[in-house]
Amino acid sequence: EVLLLESGGGLVQPGGSLRLSCSGSGSSFSNYGMNWVRQAPGKGLDWVSVISIRGDIIYYADSVRGRFTISRDNSKNTVYLQMNNLRVEDTAIYYCARLSGNYFFDYWGQGTPVTVSS
Amino acid sequence: QSALTQPPSVSGSPGQSVTISCTGSSSDVGSYTRVSWYQQPPGTAPKLIISEVSNRPSGVPDRFSGSKSANTASLTISGLQAEDEADYYCLSYSSINTYVFGTGTKVTVL
Repeated sequence: EVLLLESGGGLVQPGGSLRLSCSGSGSSFSNYGMNWVRQAPGKGLDWVSVISIRGDIIYYADSVRGRFTISRDNSKNTVYLQMNNLRVEDTAIYYCARLSGNYFFDYWGQGTPVTVSS
Repeated sequence: QSALTQPPSVSGSPGQSVTISCTGSSSDVGSYTRVSWYQQPPGTAPKLIISEVSNRPSGVPDRFSGSKSANTASLTISGLQAEDEADYYCLSYSSINTYVFGTGTKVTVL
């Protein structure tokens, strides 16, 4: 069974930074692209970013481009999301999700909450 | 990239069928068979229930089915059960190398 575990969330002031981590179980982690998806309180799902298997292809949503950076370390079965210049509207639960077949997300973590507030 | 359009809520009695629509454009839903659906009960992470328009992953009950016509995808739950009460989201790959979710639909079992 594939397990994904996010960590690194917390309370941060506007303009601050956080780095989220997503650790995956199993030897197949390095065979899949990975995504970050967020969900603001009481709101819907919002795709944030995707990284390819080798980390050489990366895309971002317009709302985070230039502020967030996705990366991965396959030797540690971990994908990261560096979030800089955080805004109040970035407050959300952040999920990592495995990309399957290039077009759907077949496994999800339980999420880590991020609160941006002064 | 604007969110795909879903009805805010649908409801039905146990045993009935409900259908959730997901409307996009020729740049996303209309261009690809790359629409998937996710179920999210309250307080939990989303779960994949339909991939590539109509494929059901192992373990997903066959009362869940998907289809697509032009720029609109649909999820049908046949034989509604109490455990199906949740939020449902569609997801599509977009021609600009991004992914876009639907606005979400709350399914209520009466």
